[in-house]
Amino acid sequence: GAGVSQSPSNKVTEKGKDVELRCDPISGHTALYWYRQSLGQGLEFLIYFQGNSAPDKSGLPSDRFSAERTGGSVSTLTIQRTQQEDSAVYLCASSAGTSSPLHFGNGTRLTVT
Amino acid sequence: QKEVEQNSGPLSVPEGAIASLNCTYSDRGSQSFFWYRQYSGKSPELIMFIYSNGDKEDGRFTAQLNKASQYVSLLIRDSQPSDSATYLCAVNMNTGRRALTFGSGTRLQVQP
Repeated sequence: GAGVSQSPSNKVTEKGKDVELRCDPISGHTALYWYRQSLGQGLEFLIYFQGNSAPDKSGLPSDRFSAERTGGSVSTLTIQRTQQEDSAVYLCASSAGTSSPLHFGNGTRLTVT
Repeated sequence: QKEVEQNSGPLSVPEGAIASLNCTYSDRGSQSFFWYRQYSGKSPELIMFIYSNGDKEDGRFTAQLNKASQYVSLLIRDSQPSDSATYLCAVNMNTGRRALTFGSGTRLQVQP
């Protein structure tokens, strides 16, 4: 596709349920990032994948959060046992390399009730 | 000290004026610097990037980088109401995390 694609665009879930968020990066981009943005706040780094290197998971807020990237392309962010404080917009971005500009998807708005 | 600092604003300028947005960063070894614009409810979109000291111009936008002062700015000439948005500064740090580190953004309001 022409841009970064994220699905679903909106997700409402009950506290305690697990959710999976999907990101399909721009074709050929080796780097993939997940950020989180709470209402009125800046972007909070979650996790970064670069090629075949071990991912940088230093931003994951708890062990309820995990992410994988299959075949160097599509990525899934999984949140287990969701809490109300997980409510935010989850943004995925990809880039051609570490120093290259990021291109963002439209985000997934997660609401935990 | 935050890794990337921006004044949250709002910065209010009249239509046609120059808007000046500023950003400081903590890691002296940082190499890549980016400005993103984010409209309310939308994702960030890239405005400009700069790697070398000095000025870089693109249309009405000019990015300025001063690595000695650890300072990067964005100038918007002939500001338009459609420029009203939050502007995010992002820095690729030389140490620690390899992903971009974002400032919290400056909200710009251009008054018609």
